[in-house]
Amino acid sequence: DAGVIQSPRHEVTEMGQEVTLRCKPISGHNSLFWYRQTMMRGLELLIYFNNNVPIDDSGMPEDRFSAKMPNASFSTLKIQPSEPRDSAVYFCASSIGTVGETQYFGPGTRLLVL
Amino acid sequence: GENVEQHPSTLSVQEGDSAVIKCTYSDSASNYFPWYKQELGKRPQLIIDIRSNVGEKKDQRIAVTLNKTAKHFSLHITETQPEDSAVYFCAAYRDNDMRFGAGTRLTVKP
Repeated sequence: DAGVIQSPRHEVTEMGQEVTLRCKPISGHNSLFWYRQTMMRGLELLIYFNNNVPIDDSGMPEDRFSAKMPNASFSTLKIQPSEPRDSAVYFCASSIGTVGETQYFGPGTRLLVL
Repeated sequence: GENVEQHPSTLSVQEGDSAVIKCTYSDSASNYFPWYKQELGKRPQLIIDIRSNVGEKKDQRIAVTLNKTAKHFSLHITETQPEDSAVYFCAAYRDNDMRFGAGTRLTVKP
């Protein structure tokens, strides 16, 4: 199994640009999570999908952030427009069950907004 | 909402010694407590977890204890090795919400 796949691994963009992060969960996993990690705020859960349906998006910082999961094998996290304070590592994780099950993290996308 | 506090923020031990990291949580309804290890530049990886119906769980050199009354749980690493050096995160979960501690940077000196 390839594990959780994220792309791109690194992204450098200018303020105001749209950023799209991609995630492919482990096959057979029913839940997908997007996290953001920064030095200041640590690891934060942004949004959680179960069976492709967003269950809890209370962690999404503001309307500039949106996430979709059109099918069981693909999810996107979009930031539009991006701002320098969005610079962080964004992790995608998946689990076979719900939040209370073992989550497997992807390698992360390191985003830098100039 | 849930609030998770983790201590210490940094911990340095000699190889072979034990290391203990403690977390407290605020919401008594939290029922799942995983611990993650994150090496520099890499993804968090689950190392052990415990559910609220269990007081202790052990996996080789790693153990986790949970005190529901006091609302705290701890990670214990025995016979530490240099490869245990990493940042460790605790987390508490309830109702689709996972909250993480701020992390502990563990350094094991050879």
